Amino acid sequence: ETGVTQSPTHLIKTRGQQVTLRCSSQSGHNTVSWYQQALGQGPQFIFQYYREEENGRGNFPPRFSGLQFPNYSSELNVNALELDDSALYLCASSRLVGGGLTDTQYFGPGTRLTVL
Amino acid sequence: AQRVTQPEKLLSVFKGAPVELKCNYSYSGSPELFWYVQYSRQRLQLLLRHISRESIKGFTADLNKGETSFHLKKPFAQEEDSAMYYCALIRGSTLGRLYFGRGTQLTVWP
Repeated sequence: ETGVTQSPTHLIKTRGQQVTLRCSSQSGHNTVSWYQQALGQGPQFIFQYYREEENGRGNFPPRFSGLQFPNYSSELNVNALELDDSALYLCASSRLVGGGLTDTQYFGPGTRLTVL
Repeated sequence: AQRVTQPEKLLSVFKGAPVELKCNYSYSGSPELFWYVQYSRQRLQLLLRHISRESIKGFTADLNKGETSFHLKKPFAQEEDSAMYYCALIRGSTLGRLYFGRGTQLTVWP
């Protein structure tokens, strides 16, 4: 069973640029969630994708967007980068079970984004 | 609104001592509570969830709805328990949106 993978591991960008982060979900999982973890803080929910559609969004501006592909992998795109976007970005995959609930979320190792 | 509070940023104990990591939450509905752990240079992983009522690596946590707490306990801490611990909740059936506390760094001294 392959775990959740993310690429790249590290990334350095400058203000105003755009970035795409990638996530491959664990085998058998159909739901992907993205989280932002600033230094010294717990992860904060950005959004979740199920069946290639956004299925819930946290308190993040529209310049944070995403995609989910038929193989359940996902991308997180951030436009017009700001200094405060510097953080660890975590992807988590899970399986939607009955009653609209998801099973345990399994996290990837994260992508460390630095915005200069 | 929901909120998860972990009042201790750092916690140190000696090996063999009992340890309790505190977690309080605010949410008017019926949440599902979790503890996640991150060991050094490893990814975030689930330690336990309250609905399964399991004991993992000797850790237990009881959901106290009256005190809105979900404290993590272990009677005898081990050096390998040193890690970052996060308490998290899911509100009802919100398709797995986790709300995390800021985490507690546990250090177990030999």
